[in-house]
Amino acid sequence: LAKTTQPISMDSYEGQEVNITCSHNNIATNDYITWYQQFPSQGPRFIIQGYKTKVTNEVASLFIPADRKSSTLSLPRVSLSDTAVYYCLVGARGGDSSYKLIFGSGTRLLVRP
Amino acid sequence: EAGVTQFPSHSVIEKGQTVTLRCDPISGHDNLYWYRRVMGKEIKFLLHFVKESKQDESGMPNNRFLAERTGGTYSTLKVQPAELEDSGVYFCASSQAGYEQRTYEQYFGPGTRLTVT
Repeated sequence: LAKTTQPISMDSYEGQEVNITCSHNNIATNDYITWYQQFPSQGPRFIIQGYKTKVTNEVASLFIPADRKSSTLSLPRVSLSDTAVYYCLVGARGGDSSYKLIFGSGTRLLVRP
Repeated sequence: EAGVTQFPSHSVIEKGQTVTLRCDPISGHDNLYWYRRVMGKEIKFLLHFVKESKQDESGMPNNRFLAERTGGTYSTLKVQPAELEDSGVYFCASSQAGYEQRTYEQYFGPGTRLTVT
């Protein structure tokens, strides 16, 4: 199972770009990298997923280098409402067609005014 | 489209009692997952249903926990008898993908906060 490592916390200010880097040295060939966001008293929410190079959607970008041993979630122009915990996950397939998510401790992002 | 719902939102029970948590996945989602976060720890996988079948229950802590998914719709997670260390937040998630799943996009419910005193 691929273990991920990310900073425990980060601080930013409104309007800035925030980049959260995650390392996953043991990522398997078929694994995708997925990021989730979690607000207090809510369940995690899917943000973005990628396999290699760059993926962009309406809320974030995901940069993955060629060796795939790390990935960077980029949040453009953060606002106060982006204050949350961000989890980097590498899918772990257990058993037959099981796609359980393996959560680490996440990165607690605090956006200040 | 309605999201994943869980009931109750909060439950307080005494040690030794029984509690049943319910999860209603998004309509049409065959995959249903249970996770939990114990105080101060990381979110941990409990088990995975595909329709009514248990696909992976490697995360179930012990035989005091029983999960069911009757008819492949909603799921229940029963804890009997509850112990103090069972306190935490129990999340349910569902996903649409089939066997050739590319995405791990799971839709989570708000969780049930269980307090065992």
